[in-house]
Amino acid sequence: DAKTTQPPSMDCAEGRAANLPCNHSTISGNEYVYWYRQIHSQGPQYIIHGLKNNETNEMASLIITEDRKSSTLILPHATLRDTAVYYCIVRGSNAGNMLTFGGGTRLMVKP
Amino acid sequence: KAGVTQTPRYLIKTRGQQVTLSCSPISGHRSVSWYQQTPGQGLQFLFEYFSETQRNKGNFPGRFSGRQFSNSRSEMNVSTLELGDSALYLCASSIDLASTGELFFGEGSRLTVL
Repeated sequence: DAKTTQPPSMDCAEGRAANLPCNHSTISGNEYVYWYRQIHSQGPQYIIHGLKNNETNEMASLIITEDRKSSTLILPHATLRDTAVYYCIVRGSNAGNMLTFGGGTRLMVKP
Repeated sequence: KAGVTQTPRYLIKTRGQQVTLSCSPISGHRSVSWYQQTPGQGLQFLFEYFSETQRNKGNFPGRFSGRQFSNSRSEMNVSTLELGDSALYLCASSIDLASTGELFFGEGSRLTVL
């Protein structure tokens, strides 16, 4: 599976949009981009995933560049409860449920 | 519906002992995977089971083993515990092994080895 690169930490003001970048320059054509987050001492929580097109759900939006080498997770109106470590993961079709987690981005939402 | 349930939530063992952790997946989910999380190494994949068969295995020594039962419940076992095995052990379940399947994680079992 392709590796990902994320900034180790970011701050965001409460109520503002949080934009979390991820580089995955070695992604191959059949690999999806997934985002999970982990709030302190809890299990990771699925947020969103995509292949080529931008995706949106009730939690977030995922913007994938046309060359698929990078993506951005957008939390449109961050709240204090969004403070967590966010993991960007690239997952291949033959990987089963074997996720390769990197270091993630520690997002701190501040009042 | 009920989420992924892991037991016990916390446990303390001493070096050399063994430990068994249990995971009950979401009803209807047939795939269970296990992860180890430590401050130094982060989240690392241990192994994955589907229909009682191990499908993938991470880079861990043979002291780490697991199994899955016919009702999809899974257990993992660590023998001859070492201090470095202190970690949060997370179980995740999904409907199947499809690449687009969402994983649902439990709250984890926090193991401390003294």
